[in-house]
Amino acid sequence: QKEVEQNSGPLSVPEGAIASLNCTYSDRGSQSFFWYRQYSGKSPELIMSIYSNGDKEDGRFTAQLNKASQYVSLLIRDSQPSDSATYLCAVRGSSNTGKLIFGQGTTLQVKP
Amino acid sequence: KAGVTQTPRYLIKTRGQQVTLSCSPISGHRSVSWYQQTPGQGLQFLFEYFSETQRNKGNFPGRFSGRQFSNSRSEMNVSTLELGDSALYLCASSLILGGAGELFFGEGSRLTVL
Repeated sequence: QKEVEQNSGPLSVPEGAIASLNCTYSDRGSQSFFWYRQYSGKSPELIMSIYSNGDKEDGRFTAQLNKASQYVSLLIRDSQPSDSATYLCAVRGSSNTGKLIFGQGTTLQVKP
Repeated sequence: KAGVTQTPRYLIKTRGQQVTLSCSPISGHRSVSWYQQTPGQGLQFLFEYFSETQRNKGNFPGRFSGRQFSNSRSEMNVSTLELGDSALYLCASSLILGGAGELFFGEGSRLTVL
């Protein structure tokens, strides 16, 4: 079992729709969770972080965390073509100075 | 404020050679992490340094090594290169070790092994 798992996609949504990206992790003691966005040919950049159960909203982005189910998700409302990218889920292990492990990433395509 | 700088950006080596990649973190950042990115495996953690000490290590063979200097700059070395080492090597810096520390990535060093 991989430490952090994501569906590689591609996930295709029409412009204006809600895109839902999901991630599961294996280390039950994990404490810090991040979503990075990576455009083709570019390096990853942080878009959201979440540390406690529930929802965290930032503009069009909402991160959701359910530690009991070991599940993290990212919702993108009113998806735009500029949101087309690979979204990487990253989880820091149960030692809070532990390494940050990335999932394979989900490719999102937003069609005009 | 300058970002994370990686050199060289591109390099071509042959099997059996060795390579050294360099990373200058954002000023004030003391943590440097290295990742290997390939289409098949995604982003894989290599190691993390903080205050010149390796704090975390991924599951890579001993051919992969690194170090961090007193100015927080870091280098990674790959010896006896194999074809499978062809990848984008990303360096990321962070203000703190672990926790809520956000990683800021450099543009990467793309290594091709022939």
